[in-house]
Amino acid sequence: DIQMTQSPSILSASVGDRVTITCRASQSISGWLAWYQQQPGKAPKLLIYKASNLERGVPSRFSGSGSGTEFTLTISSLQLDDFATYYCQHYSTFSYSFGQGTKLEI
Amino acid sequence: EVQLVESGGGLVQPGGSLRLSCVGSGVSFSTDSLTWVRQAPGKGLEWVSYISSSSTSMYYSDSVKGRFTISRDNAKNSLFLQMTSLRAEDTAVYYCARDILRAFDIWGQGTMVTVSS
Repeated sequence: DIQMTQSPSILSASVGDRVTITCRASQSISGWLAWYQQQPGKAPKLLIYKASNLERGVPSRFSGSGSGTEFTLTISSLQLDDFATYYCQHYSTFSYSFGQGTKLEI
Repeated sequence: EVQLVESGGGLVQPGGSLRLSCVGSGVSFSTDSLTWVRQAPGKGLEWVSYISSSSTSMYYSDSVKGRFTISRDNAKNSLFLQMTSLRAEDTAVYYCARDILRAFDIWGQGTMVTVSS
C-alpha cells in the first residue's frame, strides 16, 4: 500500500502569512491527489482535486501543485477562517488513503 | 441544495452489528459514486469503503474487509453500511461522501458509532 506522509504535523502562522503543507507518497503516484480543510466538529471540505484543480467556491488563495511523490498545498495569505486541520488524500487502485493531517494554528 | 444525511449510529457492544444509512437530496444520486469515511475521536480521517454508481464495484479498507458491507438503493437515494463484528477501534464518526474524480466533494454531517460494553 502507498503511504501518505504530511508535514508538518503542526504549523504555527499569522494572518497574512503564506504557508505550505507537503504530502509525500511512499512511491510515485498518479495525480489523484486531493486536499481538504476540516474545522473542529465539522465535516471536511474539499479544496483541491487532481493535485492542482481548485474546487468551485474555494478562494483563490488556495492552490495545489506537485507530481511524482511530492505534493503541496499553499495558502497565499492566511485569513482567520483558514486556521483548521488540513488533510491530503490519494487514490490508487481500489483504495484511498489520507495523510495524518496538519493542524494550522495561530 | 445538495445534501447528504447520515443516520443509524449509536452505542453497540463489541461483536455487535449496526447499519448506517445515508440519504441524498439535490444530487444525481444514481450516477454518483459514494464512499464512507470515518474519524475516531481526536484522530484523523480514515477511508472505509467505496461503491460505484451501479454497484458494480465495491472497495473496502483492510481494517473493515470481511466485516462491513456497502450497498445502495438508487431508487431511494440511499447508501448503506452494514457493520458486523464491531470492535472498540471502530468507534468513530462515520461520514458518507460523494466521490467525484476520486475526491470527495459533498459530505454528510456524520453519525457517531460507539463500540463499548
